[in-house]
Amino acid sequence: EPEVTQTPSHQVTQMGQEVILRCVPISNHLYFYWYRQILGQKVEFLVSFYNNEISEKSEIFDDQFSVERPDGSNFTLKIRSTKLEDSAMYFCASSEWVGGRSYEQYFGPGTRLTVT
Amino acid sequence: RKEVEQDPGPFNVPEGATVAFNCTYSNSASQSFFWYRQDCRKEPKLLMSVYSSGNEDGRFTAQLNRASQYISLLIRDSKLSDSATYLCVVNYGAGNNRKLIWGLGTSLAVNP
Repeated sequence: EPEVTQTPSHQVTQMGQEVILRCVPISNHLYFYWYRQILGQKVEFLVSFYNNEISEKSEIFDDQFSVERPDGSNFTLKIRSTKLEDSAMYFCASSEWVGGRSYEQYFGPGTRLTVT
Repeated sequence: RKEVEQDPGPFNVPEGATVAFNCTYSNSASQSFFWYRQDCRKEPKLLMSVYSSGNEDGRFTAQLNRASQYISLLIRDSKLSDSATYLCVVNYGAGNNRKLIWGLGTSLAVNP
């Protein structure tokens, strides 16, 4: 069964450093998403991406964040200057292009980001 | 009122029990509804979409009441492997809007 993959599984970085989180969505999916979940809290939407541009973003997704689809398979989230409060699990998700099932999102295993 | 509200639990039930979770949402424009399950420190996994007419998948039954802005999930004949957090998720989706709004989740522990 096709699945979303993410790398690395755990990233430790120092405050102020840049990090890039990588995702490979399911191959025939055309909508991509990033979510985050701070330990013990709910899943929070960050950004959605379709047709090589951002469709929607939350108030969390400020100028420190950017997303890119550098090639036909990868989808990345960059945090330019990490803060302690960026420590969280970051999930990538993808969904199909059309039809009712296009609203069903499938998640990768997540990258645990620890900012020290 | 929170956008998506769930009783956090925990629900502790014996194997074989029937358990029901409820969820309310605040935005009447919500279009799509889902139940996800999340195991500790793992990614959310889609359990089922919730349709207006209600739907069933094996031991799981989901219901939607648009008038009351209420969604439910019923699990029959609980198994130990059902122990997880169940997340109620709502999408206001139309066009390219597919932002999912998440509840905090309801914790279920099924005991032998």
